[in-house]
Amino acid sequence: QKEVEQNSGPLSVPEGAIASLNCTYSDRGSQSFFWYRQYSGKSPELIMSIYSNGDKEDGRFTAQLNKASQYVSLLIRDSQPSDSATYLCAVNDRDDKIIFGKGTRLHILP
Amino acid sequence: GAVVSQHPSRVICKSGTSVKIECRSLDFQATTMFWYRQFPKQSLMLMATSNEGSKATYEQGVEKDKFLINHASLTLSTLTVTSAHPEDSSFYICSASDGQPMGPQHFGDGTRLSIL
Repeated sequence: QKEVEQNSGPLSVPEGAIASLNCTYSDRGSQSFFWYRQYSGKSPELIMSIYSNGDKEDGRFTAQLNKASQYVSLLIRDSQPSDSATYLCAVNDRDDKIIFGKGTRLHILP
Repeated sequence: GAVVSQHPSRVICKSGTSVKIECRSLDFQATTMFWYRQFPKQSLMLMATSNEGSKATYEQGVEKDKFLINHASLTLSTLTVTSAHPEDSSFYICSASDGQPMGPQHFGDGTRLSIL
């Protein structure tokens, strides 16, 4: 069964520090990878997409992909209290079906 | 781009009522839409995949006669919770793919359903 694994957290990070969120996936044939942010009581919001090995930066966010290790991560620099949310890792497998992880709760400490 | 609109945002109704939720892709055509349910502090659970012009594909354990899905056009899918009961109270979220191969899903704002 294809799986996307995330640590459920909560991950507590001081304001201004770097938050590092990690995700592993089981289907080696996966083609694309996404990070969603979900605030409590709200629906998920797409914040990053990454399709090839390496780093992709967008503002304070950096997504990192290592297909050999089947590992994708999200770094949030200069963490703000408004970054406190649940972050969902999602992987589009070889059948073009998106599988979501259960999410990591991130808490930025003021 | 890739905006998904979901309506209504909140429903409160009596047990036994049927409730229809609409999901629209506003600026793109969506041949495939997805319906999720999320209980408080739980993860997203995929209920069904809605395919334009054909029957929906339901995940294991989801009653297709309870949760009716219609995807009659490339921009609209509806989920009807029939004869809703308190245990159906949940946060229902739709999403759509914009057709980009291996692309992301774009989510609606969700519908909070409360059955009294």
